Amino acid sequence: DSGVTQTPKHLITATGQRVTLRCSPRSGDLSVYWYQQSLDQGLQFLIQYYNGEERAKGNILERFSAQQFPDLHSELNLSSLELGDSALYFCASSVGQGQNSPLHFGNGTRLTVT
Amino acid sequence: GQQVMQIPQYQHVQEGEDFTTYCNSSTTLSNIQWYKQRPGGHPVFLIQLVKSGEVKKQKRLTFQFGEAKKNSSLHITATQTTDVGTYFCAGQGYKLSFGAGTTVTVRA
Repeated sequence: DSGVTQTPKHLITATGQRVTLRCSPRSGDLSVYWYQQSLDQGLQFLIQYYNGEERAKGNILERFSAQQFPDLHSELNLSSLELGDSALYFCASSVGQGQNSPLHFGNGTRLTVT
Repeated sequence: GQQVMQIPQYQHVQEGEDFTTYCNSSTTLSNIQWYKQRPGGHPVFLIQLVKSGEVKKQKRLTFQFGEAKKNSSLHITATQTTDVGTYFCAGQGYKLSFGAGTTVTVRA
């Protein structure tokens, strides 16, 4: 158990809808990262937050947004969903801002857009 | 921009054989991390290498960081069925960049 909690585990929704994925980092970790993994694909970095502030941005679509709350949990909002958004979304956390800080991944949320 | 390339993409190994997966960065890295993702699972941190030329071992796994800190390798000896999964390297430059992974299958 990595200590990173992601909910829900599975999500099935229709095109055009909006969903929210939730992540609670490991106790003591200040950074939260969001990654997208499509079938047989690598890990695509979306965004990182550190102690409530956006720290780094990757290939995140404008339809997607995220935030980290004062209690350090994070939410990833996906809107105007398309079939191609179907993927496994991982949250990871680390102690520091990124340098020399290994990532601890949650079990992921599997999103299916129909 | 910073890119991390990983080869091979797929590795089919006979049980008991050795294999190596390689990771190359377009830029000098401050460190490199390795993760393993079992089928249906999430990536799990294995190890981090920081020093130029560093070599670390974990049982049958040997990790190496190149002298120029731009490449790394993971060598597994006497492959077992428990080694099945995808191995990712992640290079820390100005950002942490993951390679595409090497997916390992084992023939018993």
